[in-house]
Amino acid sequence: IVLTQSPGTLSLSPGERATLSCRASQTVSSSYLAWYQQKPGQAPRLLIYSASSRATGIPDSFSGSGSGTDFTLTISRLEPEDFAVYYCQQSGVFGGGTKVEIK
Amino acid sequence: EVQLLESGGGLVQPGGSLRLSCAASGFTFSDYAMSWVRQAPGKGLEWVSSILGSGGRTYYADSVKGRFTISRDNAKNTLYLQMNSLRAEDTALYYCVVYYVNSGGYFDHWGQGTLVTVSS
Repeated sequence: IVLTQSPGTLSLSPGERATLSCRASQTVSSSYLAWYQQKPGQAPRLLIYSASSRATGIPDSFSGSGSGTDFTLTISRLEPEDFAVYYCQQSGVFGGGTKVEIK
Repeated sequence: EVQLLESGGGLVQPGGSLRLSCAASGFTFSDYAMSWVRQAPGKGLEWVSSILGSGGRTYYADSVKGRFTISRDNAKNTLYLQMNSLRAEDTALYYCVVYYVNSGGYFDHWGQGTLVTVSS
């Protein structure tokens, strides 16, 4: 399976809504897709698993959706600490990442 | 609080070997599958290997199969990665991660990583 994330870079302002896409080359069984956030110099952090379940301690400004081959991570209102790189993952495969940067 | 502390990284020549360790605390280690995930400098994440809680089953990325061996000592709450025949492309930060097998498999609780540099 190949996971393709788009866009590669997303330039937004604080307070704006971010929509990140992850497309799989084949159907993802039972929507088993996860999302991670990574800030510079830090380890990744699990945000979403099973496509739409938030991990412990993740604010509800983060939401995941999708099924089949198309999945989306939405950040409803960007906070300064949300600017980071985001990865999707299914089983042993990670997407290439989307960088959310300050416009 | 879950804590994962990796060690064993360093500079090694191509063809050499290195053994990474990950000391786990704050959870019942033997109940959980564990994984190694790596990240080359400035690049994305790459899953390397996983091992079930009992240690009975192991899984490897094609890129490391036959060269790397994952193992665990549940009595010592420690995960290992034996890396042989190292190549320049194995240069990366290696993370120790708790792997949740249910729900399709996802990685929660990451260590801070140990850097492996393969260079002559």
